[in-house]
Amino acid sequence: NAGVTQTPKFRVLKTGQSMTLLCAQDMNHEYMYWYRQDPGMGLRLIHYSVGEGTTAKGEVPDGYNVSRLKKQNFLLGLESAAPSQTSVYFCASSYYRENYGYTFGSGTRLTVV
Amino acid sequence: DAKTTQPTSMDCAEGRAANLPCNHSTISGNEYVYWYRQIHSQGPQYIIHGLKNNETNEMASLIITEDRKSSTLILPHATLRDTAVYYCIVRVPFGTNAGKSTFGDGTTLTVKP
Repeated sequence: NAGVTQTPKFRVLKTGQSMTLLCAQDMNHEYMYWYRQDPGMGLRLIHYSVGEGTTAKGEVPDGYNVSRLKKQNFLLGLESAAPSQTSVYFCASSYYRENYGYTFGSGTRLTVV
Repeated sequence: DAKTTQPTSMDCAEGRAANLPCNHSTISGNEYVYWYRQIHSQGPQYIIHGLKNNETNEMASLIITEDRKSSTLILPHATLRDTAVYYCIVRVPFGTNAGKSTFGDGTTLTVKP
């Protein structure tokens, strides 16, 4: 049972490049989330999904797109990376019941130069 | 969505109880209070949650006031390994609003020898 796995762990992009961050969970969780964390700050919600094939915007969705084609995977895309998107990205998942909190991945550290 | 307010930082002596407060004065009736902690740059770790009753698990205790406008996380015997950033969030755990939870900047707890 791996929990929540994020790929890649580190990445350096040039301004204007695109990339996709992959989040995979093996706990059969219904809900999945993407957060970003800037230095010294808390986590801000980018996008989330309450089920396969559904996505919704969070606090800071601009510049990002997501897809959840399979229940276990949640992809975060940057179409044209900007230096302001330099951050640590965390994926999380949870069951739909109240008795469970989020399970977080270990993060992807992205630098846009 | 309810927002939370936490002190920026707190210190605690090793072996003593650490009491971390959280204000969530605009919490709605179906929102739960969740606590997480983040050690260094790792993904946040779930600690405990509750709706209106006090809760206890192997990690901590959660005290929620009767009006539900504030709560306190208690680490009964703090150790150096409890040094971390602690986040209090409020969240509806199921349904289409399940994704809408915001992590503030949290409280940096420093446990000192």
